[in-house]
Amino acid sequence: AQSVTQLDSQVPVFEEAPVELRCNYSSSVSVYLFWYVQYPNQGLQLLLKYLSGSTLVKGINGFEAEFNKSQTSFHLRKPSVHISDTAEYFCAVISIFGNEKLTFGTGTRLTIIP
Amino acid sequence: DSGVTQTPKHLITATGQRVTLRCSPRSGDLSVYWYQQSLDQGLQFLIQYYNGEERAKGNILERFSAQQFPDLHSELNLSSLELGDSALYFCASSSKSRTDTQYFGPGTRLTVL
Repeated sequence: AQSVTQLDSQVPVFEEAPVELRCNYSSSVSVYLFWYVQYPNQGLQLLLKYLSGSTLVKGINGFEAEFNKSQTSFHLRKPSVHISDTAEYFCAVISIFGNEKLTFGTGTRLTIIP
Repeated sequence: DSGVTQTPKHLITATGQRVTLRCSPRSGDLSVYWYQQSLDQGLQFLIQYYNGEERAKGNILERFSAQQFPDLHSELNLSSLELGDSALYFCASSSKSRTDTQYFGPGTRLTVL
């Protein structure tokens, strides 16, 4: 079984400032990792995913994430945020074999302060 | 637009009733997943179908059932509804393997009164 922990339920950041949203996971088997974004009143949209290879993954809208196997982390970063980045961000994992379900964290609400 | 469609967008019903949520996956996607999003439980996987067959089950109540039809659209049936079933229900679809992105529909918001 897997679990995902997003320690910060809410993160306020000033516009044009950098941001890091933290994600840690626990799993008895190897996993693939994902970050999804949910804008108000919308479904989830994939930001980026890590399957293998380079541990630094670049996604859409200027986001990137770094996979750290020893720390079982997959933190999401953006060097300069915009008002349009206001949304809920979910970290998720899928085990490399077995059930193909996404296991989600509880989400981090990112609020951009003008 | 993810290419996944869900109907209806909103559903308001009473306790004890039965409802059906419908999902049309992206063209060519064989897998359909159902997730429930609620304030207390977060995003929870319910069930997955692959090319018409049930492939995986998650935290799905016995009062809930689903199926995937030959044209690959899927329906989630919720019966004997309780207040606690009020939630946002998402459908997602993917192509074949677990490395493929799951594309989410806009969701159906169910309110049980």
